[in-house]
Amino acid sequence: AQSVAQPEDQVNVAEGNPLTVKCTYSVSGNPYLFWYVQYPNRGLQFLLKYITGDNLVKGSYGFEAEFNKSQTSFHLKKPSALVSDSALYFCAVRDSGSWGKFQFGAGTQVVVTP
Amino acid sequence: ETGVTQTPRHLVMGMTNKKSLKCEQHLGHNAMYWYKQSAKKPLELMFVYSLEERVENNSVPSRFSPECPNSSHLFLHLHTLQPEDSALYLCASSQAPSGSTEETQYFGPGTRLLVL
Repeated sequence: AQSVAQPEDQVNVAEGNPLTVKCTYSVSGNPYLFWYVQYPNRGLQFLLKYITGDNLVKGSYGFEAEFNKSQTSFHLKKPSALVSDSALYFCAVRDSGSWGKFQFGAGTQVVVTP
Repeated sequence: ETGVTQTPRHLVMGMTNKKSLKCEQHLGHNAMYWYKQSAKKPLELMFVYSLEERVENNSVPSRFSPECPNSSHLFLHLHTLQPEDSALYLCASSQAPSGSTEETQYFGPGTRLLVL
């Protein structure tokens, strides 16, 4: 079985400050990890993914995420948040042996204030 | 978001109606997915089609009936729905593995469904 947890329903941060959105996962095999962002009335947009290789993954819009196998985490980070980063962020995981069977977290609402 | 389109964007239907949701992808992918997104809940994977064959059906009630006539189009036929089926229905597409070990899903804007 696979699962993913986003422990925070909402993250509030001031513009210009660092932003972190947390994600932990559980899979039986090797994890494939993804982050997506959803703006109001829009579908999910792909940000970045970890499949293998370097634990630090860089993605769109200045976001990055670090894969930590010992802590089974894949936290999303941005050094300096923008008001336009305010959106709903989803972490997703699938086991390397389970093609197509993505497990999404419940989402974390990010609010960036000016 | 022109890669994956969904119609209609909004739909209101009674419990006795029959309607269909349509998804079209312009990315050359060969796998398509239906998800249900309800408030405060994780996305629920409903159906997966790979190479036009259904490969996943996550215990979805029979009042939801998918159809994938070709690799670019995916439908979700709805009949005798319940109010708890009100949600955002998202379509996604990806490239099914053919030597690759991973895929990224690309999502449409969704259809907001309200069942009265």
